[in-house]
Amino acid sequence: AQSVTQLDSHVSVSEGTPVLLRCNYSSSYSPSLFWYVQHPNKGLQLLLKYTSAATLVKGINGFEAEFKKSETSFHLTKPSAHMSDAAEYFCVVRYSGAGSYQLTFGKGTKLSVIP
Amino acid sequence: NAGVTQTPKFQVLKTGQSMTLQCAQDMNHEYMSWYRQDPGMGLRLIHYSVGAGITDQGEVPNGYNVSRSTTEDFPLRLLSAAPSQTSVYFCASRGLGTDLSGGYTFGSGTRLTVV
Repeated sequence: AQSVTQLDSHVSVSEGTPVLLRCNYSSSYSPSLFWYVQHPNKGLQLLLKYTSAATLVKGINGFEAEFKKSETSFHLTKPSAHMSDAAEYFCVVRYSGAGSYQLTFGKGTKLSVIP
Repeated sequence: NAGVTQTPKFQVLKTGQSMTLQCAQDMNHEYMSWYRQDPGMGLRLIHYSVGAGITDQGEVPNGYNVSRSTTEDFPLRLLSAAPSQTSVYFCASRGLGTDLSGGYTFGSGTRLTVV
């Protein structure tokens, strides 16, 4: 079955320190991978997406993610956390083939930023 | 404004009541879908549609019905609400085609409480 695993349900960092949110996916030919962010009581906003072009993907607000096929990982990073980054982050995968328009969500990682 | 519009934003139902969550998009997207979001579970697909007259079940379809009579609208019906359906519901859409770069648009959500 298609799956995506976010390895941490909660990550806490101090403002100005790096952010690392980890995501692994089940191996499949040509997956598309996304990171979405959800601020409290808000909808979902696309941070970045990987679709088999460059393996290092840059997104909005200084976030980036690296697709590593050998490790089946797509970790999200940011060099310096800001208070406004506090939110829940979802790693999402879409597989090619039958049902290829369906998204499979990870369970989410809540990021806290300590002043 | 172009996008996905969900109504209502909040709703409280009594057990056994029925209601319809509305979802409309004005981007001429063929694909539309409904997700529910529960704490610690991410978003799970309820039903989806790849065009008018075509619907299919997702991961958690029980207790929900959908129909797609027009390209623009994709309502979600709860025939007999249960407390287990207390959740936040998101509608999402995208255009079909060969572009695998994502392009999903999410609505702002409907927060449903069943008492």
